[in-house]
Amino acid sequence: EIVLTQSPGTLSLSPGERVTLSCRASQTINNNFLSWYQQKPGQAPRLLIYDASNRATGIPDRFSAGGSGTGFALTISRLEPEDFAVYYCQQYGNSPYNFGQGTKLEIK
Amino acid sequence: EVQLVESGGGLVKPGGSLRLSCAASGFAFSGYSMNWVRQAPGKGLEWVSSINSRSTYIHYADSVRGRFTISRDNAQNSLYLQIYSLRVDDTAVYYCARRSGGGFSDYWGQGTLVTVSS
Repeated sequence: EIVLTQSPGTLSLSPGERVTLSCRASQTINNNFLSWYQQKPGQAPRLLIYDASNRATGIPDRFSAGGSGTGFALTISRLEPEDFAVYYCQQYGNSPYNFGQGTKLEIK
Repeated sequence: EVQLVESGGGLVKPGGSLRLSCAASGFAFSGYSMNWVRQAPGKGLEWVSSINSRSTYIHYADSVRGRFTISRDNAQNSLYLQIYSLRVDDTAVYYCARRSGGGFSDYWGQGTLVTVSS
């Protein structure tokens, strides 16, 4: 079973800042099958990134991601007010398709 | 427009059973694998189960194996999750999601709340 560890747990930032979120896997993720999701209170998760580095349809280019093997990162180049949310990574290379525990971005 | 609409949640006593449904529209349901993902109140996302398009490959999280059964009816464009022997820690919003590509979830329903309490 692959365990995903996201860091940090919570980040307090201001609009306009740049942020990088980390997702580390306990084992190599096959084919870099890692995705990132954004979730706002009371809403379903939204797909941001798939296959480690590909933006989903309609996702602004201020979101970028990369990594391979066991280390992955999501970067938001310039935070907009609507970006304050919880972010999850998930691996889908091998069952069980675990999620990380999430990183919460809050407004400073 | 892709739509996924879950139903069947509610208040159930420990040990009870429930069947969740997910009605799909706006895409060729029979060609896609599907997921169930749950989220306990105030907690993170937990993958529960996946099923491929022909129901030949099914996977479960260890926490639900033996108590949950995923199934689908491609003629009815519907996904199901039969839940047995409900426990208090099964209390969560249950989401269905479409799997695409290698298995990422590109579309999600709004979820249905299951509350297990005596």
